[in-house]
Amino acid sequence: DAGVIQSPRHEVTEMGQEVTLRCKPISGHDYLFWYRQTMMRGLELLIYFNNNVPIDDSGMPEDRFSAKMPNASFSTLKIQPSEPRDSAVYFCASSRTAGTGILSYEQYFGPGTRLTVT
Amino acid sequence: LAKTTQPISMDSYEGQEVNITCSHNNIATNDYITWYQQFPSQGPRFIIQGYKTKVTNEVASLFIPADRKSSTLSLPRVSLSDTAVYYCLVGDHGTNTGNQFYFGTGTSLTVIP
Repeated sequence: DAGVIQSPRHEVTEMGQEVTLRCKPISGHDYLFWYRQTMMRGLELLIYFNNNVPIDDSGMPEDRFSAKMPNASFSTLKIQPSEPRDSAVYFCASSRTAGTGILSYEQYFGPGTRLTVT
Repeated sequence: LAKTTQPISMDSYEGQEVNITCSHNNIATNDYITWYQQFPSQGPRFIIQGYKTKVTNEVASLFIPADRKSSTLSLPRVSLSDTAVYYCLVGDHGTNTGNQFYFGTGTSLTVIP
């Protein structure tokens, strides 16, 4: 398996522009997570999906952020408009169900997208 | 939310055993303890998970006292390649809430030659 795939790996954009990050989870995994990592705040969960349905989006910082999962093999995280404080590494991770209603403890992370907003 | 507290950083010489302790005073009955490792420029990687007493795998051991208010990740005979950030997470994966995925800032371990 190729693991979790994220694109692009690096993104540099100007303030006010729309940014779209993409993720392909591991085949067969039914949970997908989006995280953001900065030096100041560490690794923060933004949102996660189960079977393509958003379960908890309480970590999404503001309305400028949105995430979708149109099918089991693809998810996007969009920032519109982007701001310099959005600069961070964004990770996508996936996981499978360990049992009925039970999430496996083992998440598989992608390589991340390093976003720089100038 | 069972928040966790870890040392910000640790140094160790090659070949030594390293113990990283995590405090989780508000751990709930159904919560499990999970540790992740993150190398620079990579995403975190699952190391080990446990509920009580001791768990061991090919990478590390996890010690959990009876009161479960803390846990210790033990890395035997570390090498330079063990230099990484280590995160302790506590949560009940039977609940659909993002609170269980609190990574925080972790412990930055530096292994010295």
